Amino acid sequence: IAGITQAPTSQILAAGRRMTLRCTQDMRHNAMYWYRQDLGLGLRLIHYSNTAGTTGKGEVPDGYSVSRANTDDFPLTLASAVPSQTSVYFCASSEREGYNEQFFGPGTRLTVL
Amino acid sequence: GQNIDQPTEMTATEGAIVQINCTYQTSGFNGLFWYQQHAGEAPTFLSYNVLDGLEEKGRFSSFLSRSKGYSYLLLKELQMKDSASYLCAVMDSNYQLIWGAGTKLIIKP
Repeated sequence: IAGITQAPTSQILAAGRRMTLRCTQDMRHNAMYWYRQDLGLGLRLIHYSNTAGTTGKGEVPDGYSVSRANTDDFPLTLASAVPSQTSVYFCASSEREGYNEQFFGPGTRLTVL
Repeated sequence: GQNIDQPTEMTATEGAIVQINCTYQTSGFNGLFWYQQHAGEAPTFLSYNVLDGLEEKGRFSSFLSRSKGYSYLLLKELQMKDSASYLCAVMDSNYQLIWGAGTKLIIKP
């Protein structure tokens, strides 16, 4: 693989179910991010990780959790999905915190019914 | 609060020039970014400005005035493939990106 991959590409989920969105990068980037993108709104940061073993909360963290066990993987978990979490989710990475270019994965389109 | 404003939609003609404006109010400033996003795809990096002035990269240029909280992206010799959304983002004092809602650019032949 080259760059960032996300899985699944799309998913329809019943409310109340647990779901993990996967993100893997092979660029050895230290920093990784999860955003959601909703129509008419800018990308909003959910959680981030500046280096393996550390995570932080972004602008809209409620209902989501992340882990960063190694450099390459940064999964996002919805413990109990709600319809307001219907969105397109993008994972991104950068060489380090604050570095000027973030690279984005292809996105996961999630629908919660 | 933090705010990034850019027009929702613009239309331009193939071969012409278009300027997309962005104004911002953020807690701190560590640079302004422009990204391009084609429909159904991921954003891709276009430019980064941290000092006042114009940065030119091929057909695309980006300008920044920190005192005015203002930037623009200038696209020259427009091509049909430039039809996309253009996202303005500011890195705040916590080194987090604050994003505008994006400007959808429609190119007509």
